[in-house]
Amino acid sequence: DTEVTQTPKHLVMGMTNKKSLKCEQHMGHRAMYWYKQKAKKPPELMFVYSYEKLSINESVPSRFSPECPNSSLLNLHLHALQPEDSALYLCASSQDRGGADTQYFGPGTRLTVL
Amino acid sequence: GQNIDQPTEMTATEGAIVQINCTYQTSGFNGLFWYQQHAGEAPTFLSYNVLDGLEEKGRFSSFLSRSKGYSYLLLKELQMKDSASYLCAVSDSNYQLIWGAGTKLIIKP
Repeated sequence: DTEVTQTPKHLVMGMTNKKSLKCEQHMGHRAMYWYKQKAKKPPELMFVYSYEKLSINESVPSRFSPECPNSSLLNLHLHALQPEDSALYLCASSQDRGGADTQYFGPGTRLTVL
Repeated sequence: GQNIDQPTEMTATEGAIVQINCTYQTSGFNGLFWYQQHAGEAPTFLSYNVLDGLEEKGRFSSFLSRSKGYSYLLLKELQMKDSASYLCAVSDSNYQLIWGAGTKLIIKP
């Protein structure tokens, strides 16, 4: 099973709202990722967690706050977002961060910021 | 700098064969991935090459030449459902994926 699940599928929020995106995998993977993808562009890496520790933060604004409660779950907390943050947010996981392991993606959350 | 080039768009006919090329210049190389992405959906893994040569998987094959910094994805017996974007990504010396912009493949009946 190579399934990564994400909730919600769609999210519309105002610039003053606080919301969270959730990601879950049960493949025993120890690395989890958040990506942002704009239309007709490749995914942009935001954060990487390896063994539940944040290992990469690609200079993402503080209005995005990741959290990894355990090895199966990854959250992305959103606060005071801007309309330009509207995008598809993808979660992915891989066996390990230390090798060139295949990343498996969840279906994504389509976020619209009004 | 790091760079991955793919054609922006290609058109092919149902039942035919199409080859999507990818050239790369990266700091280090730990393998090259091909992903398929339908509009509005997540990327799905197609293939991984780390050694030179051809990897065949059903209707899809992927080729790698490390000395030339070149890969291609070959799709045979094209079906309408193959209409999608195809993303080439290289794992660099830090095992970080560097993504190409993707090739939009349009299949015509």
